[in-house]
Amino acid sequence: QKEVEQNSGPLSVPEGAIASLNCTYSDRGSQSFFWYRQYSGKSPELIMSIYSNGDKEDGRFTAQLNKASQYVSLLIRDSQPSDSATYLCAVTNQGGKLIFGQGTELSVKP
Amino acid sequence: DAGITQSPRYKITETGRQVTLMCHQTWSHSYMFWYRQDLGHGLRLIYYSAAADITDKGEVPDGYVVSRSKTENFPLTLESATRSQTSVYFCASSEGGLNEKLFFGSGTQLSVL
Repeated sequence: QKEVEQNSGPLSVPEGAIASLNCTYSDRGSQSFFWYRQYSGKSPELIMSIYSNGDKEDGRFTAQLNKASQYVSLLIRDSQPSDSATYLCAVTNQGGKLIFGQGTELSVKP
Repeated sequence: DAGITQSPRYKITETGRQVTLMCHQTWSHSYMFWYRQDLGHGLRLIYYSAAADITDKGEVPDGYVVSRSKTENFPLTLESATRSQTSVYFCASSEGGLNEKLFFGSGTQLSVL
């Protein structure tokens, strides 16, 4: 079992819709959770971090964390074609190492 | 410009050759990291450094060597390149460690023939 798992996609949504990206992790002691966005041929950039159960909103982005279910998600409201990218979930495990999932490719169709 | 820079941007080498990838940051961040990115595996940590002269292994350290004599530089050396080391390599830095925001360089695409 991979430490951090994501569906590779591609996930295709129409412009204006809500995109829902999911991530599960195996280490129950994980404390820090991140979402990075990576455009094709570019380097990853941080868009959200979350450390406690519940929701965290930043503009059109909402991160959701459920430690009991070992599940973290990212919702993108009013999706735009410019949101088309690969979204990487990253989790800091008990050993203090940041582990990335393989990423979910999102395509927003005009 | 301030930031984190990697060189070269592209590199082609042959099996068995030594290759060094360079990483330089101007923020004086304590932590620096090397990741490789492969299809189906996402980003995997090779080595990281908490400060000058302090380095530690990540998930996939075999075949790689790092050094950090100065805070701003963190070179990655492949002592004897293998085809399995063909990948995109990203250097990153953070102010406070693995729980902090990582800033990535633009990457080095390495092909080992």
